[in-house]
Amino acid sequence: DAGVIQSPRHEVTEMGQEVTLRCKPISGHNSLFWYRQTMMRGLELLIYFNNNVPIDDSGMPEDRFSAKMPNASFSTLKIQPSEPRDSAVYFCASSLGDRASIIHQPQHFGDGTRLSIL
Amino acid sequence: GNSVTQMEGPVTLSEEAFLTINCTYTATGYPSLFWYVQYPGEGLQLLLKATKADDKGSNKGFEATYRKETTSFHLEKGSVQVSDSAVYFCAPAGNNRLAFGKGNQVVVIP
Repeated sequence: DAGVIQSPRHEVTEMGQEVTLRCKPISGHNSLFWYRQTMMRGLELLIYFNNNVPIDDSGMPEDRFSAKMPNASFSTLKIQPSEPRDSAVYFCASSLGDRASIIHQPQHFGDGTRLSIL
Repeated sequence: GNSVTQMEGPVTLSEEAFLTINCTYTATGYPSLFWYVQYPGEGLQLLLKATKADDKGSNKGFEATYRKETTSFHLEKGSVQVSDSAVYFCAPAGNNRLAFGKGNQVVVIP
């Protein structure tokens, strides 16, 4: 079975440019999570969706970050404009559960997008 | 909210040695507790979980017991292999949040 698919695997771009990260969750999963991983801060939850609706976006660092989930099989995380401090590995994860139980369910992670902003 | 404390620093040990990684957490109520593992260049994978006090999660020779009285969920393996080299994350789930620890890098040398 296909796992969570993220693209691109690597992205290098100059500061000020728009960056779009993409995620396809596991088929049938109804919850999707975006994380950022850095050496300094570890793994941080940015936002999560349940049934395509954003439930908690309190981890989104600032207005430069936005996330959408137009349908059950696709989500994007956009950074505009990008800054060097946004350099990190961004992970998408998916799981199955209702709104009350989703955080108690195992999450399935993609292999991440390594983003470098020059 | 939830928080988790994992022991500081990487862990280096020889093949077939005993591994313990300590994890303590703070959370209200009865959180579910998870250990995730991250191999180089990959995303996190669920290693094991426990959902209530005194439950023992186990997988691939790893074990962890949900200790509510000490708010701990220490990870153990009796005999590690080189293939266990990875970063291990403890994560309590409660208050609508899954909180990951900083992770512990484990290096197993032949």
